[in-house]
Amino acid sequence: TQLLEQSPQFLSIQEGENLTVYCNSSSVFSSLQWYRQEPGEGPVLLVTVVTGGEVKKLKRLTFQFGDARKDSSLHITAAQPGDTGLYLCAGAPPGTYKYIFGTGTRLKVLA
Amino acid sequence: DTAVSQTPKYLVTQMGNDKSIKCEQNLGHDTMYWYKQDSKKFLKIMFSYNNKELIINETVPNRFSPKSPDKAHLNLHINSLELGDSAVYFCASSQTGSSGNTIYFGEGSWLTVV
Repeated sequence: TQLLEQSPQFLSIQEGENLTVYCNSSSVFSSLQWYRQEPGEGPVLLVTVVTGGEVKKLKRLTFQFGDARKDSSLHITAAQPGDTGLYLCAGAPPGTYKYIFGTGTRLKVLA
Repeated sequence: DTAVSQTPKYLVTQMGNDKSIKCEQNLGHDTMYWYKQDSKKFLKIMFSYNNKELIINETVPNRFSPKSPDKAHLNLHINSLELGDSAVYFCASSQTGSSGNTIYFGEGSWLTVV
């Protein structure tokens, strides 16, 4: 069974700090996505990465797909309280639409 | 207009009851999903339909039965509810062939079995 492990599981930081969330697997994925989920809502897509080694930036968020397409990272610069939420990575094995979600990282940014 | 809408949003029911959650998407997508999110926030796929055809059917008790009357609707019926069924159930949709297959989620249905 493919598994996407995220670390850390919980993270509480002060506004202005930087942080990195990791998403690791022993399996290869054709693409990997990052979602953010706020309380009472469904996950919302932040980014999709499809090429090994790919780096994408979304304002203060930087996403990287591992060279072997088995892992990914999300780096947030100068975190703000609005970044608070549950961050989920999701990957689809090659040739399938079966997106597997990671174990999640709960981020809290304190003002 | 809400892209993926599901009803009810909250449902409290007794053990042994049968209940249904309805889902509709107005995005014109050809694939719809049901996910279950437990108390630890782990999101796990249950079912997926592509053009009304079941393509993903994870190890889920037979008490759970999805029904897709058309491409825009995917309902979830649960028989003989158990305490362990308490969770948030998310409906979602995507379009095959689109870049990265973005999954659009509904707001979730909070099911509590007492």
